[in-house]
Amino acid sequence: GQNIDQPTEMTATEGAIVQINCTYQTSGFNGLFWYQQHAGEAPTFLSYNVLDGLEEKGRFSSFLSRSKGYSYLLLKELQMKDSASYLCAVRDGDYKLSFGAGTTVTVRA
Amino acid sequence: IAGITQAPTSQILAAGRRMTLRCTQDMRHNAMYWYRQDLGLGLRLIHYSNTAGTTGKGEVPDGYSVSRANTDDFPLTLASAVPSQTSVYFCASSETGVNEQFFGPGTRLTVL
Repeated sequence: GQNIDQPTEMTATEGAIVQINCTYQTSGFNGLFWYQQHAGEAPTFLSYNVLDGLEEKGRFSSFLSRSKGYSYLLLKELQMKDSASYLCAVRDGDYKLSFGAGTTVTVRA
Repeated sequence: IAGITQAPTSQILAAGRRMTLRCTQDMRHNAMYWYRQDLGLGLRLIHYSNTAGTTGKGEVPDGYSVSRANTDDFPLTLASAVPSQTSVYFCASSETGVNEQFFGPGTRLTVL
């Protein structure tokens, strides 16, 4: 099984940077994912890492260290619309996802 | 419009009743999944199907059953609902070899 930990809540100011950490312990690893979920809506895919290092996609970047069982999602130039829950998920060898409980990010003006 | 649809949007159900949540995708994805989302617990996999005709158990399968008669449809059945099955249920699909899972809009189920 998977044990995935991420902070429950974070607050940041518009225009700032926020880093959401995720640690995991797995019985098999086949990639780490980040999803965004606005209140009352479905999760939407943000990023995928399977090799160590940083993946950048516009204002969002995701980092992975497989040896440390660690990832982070970096949100730059925060906007009000970035207020949402961010879900860290690990895929096992059978291509099934296990999700963390999610981090609720609140962006303040 | 391509994507995943779920029905109903929400439902209030008496304990002991049978209920089927419907999920249909038109992206011809091989794999489909059912999750439940509860406050503080995140998304948990109930059942999945890697291709039509096959199904598998996820993390929390007890009390639920699924079938995958064709590529597009993946219904989830609660044979005899209990209050602990009150949750938001999401269906998702993905293409083999592609990383992204696409999620439906969800069904909010309340069992009284």
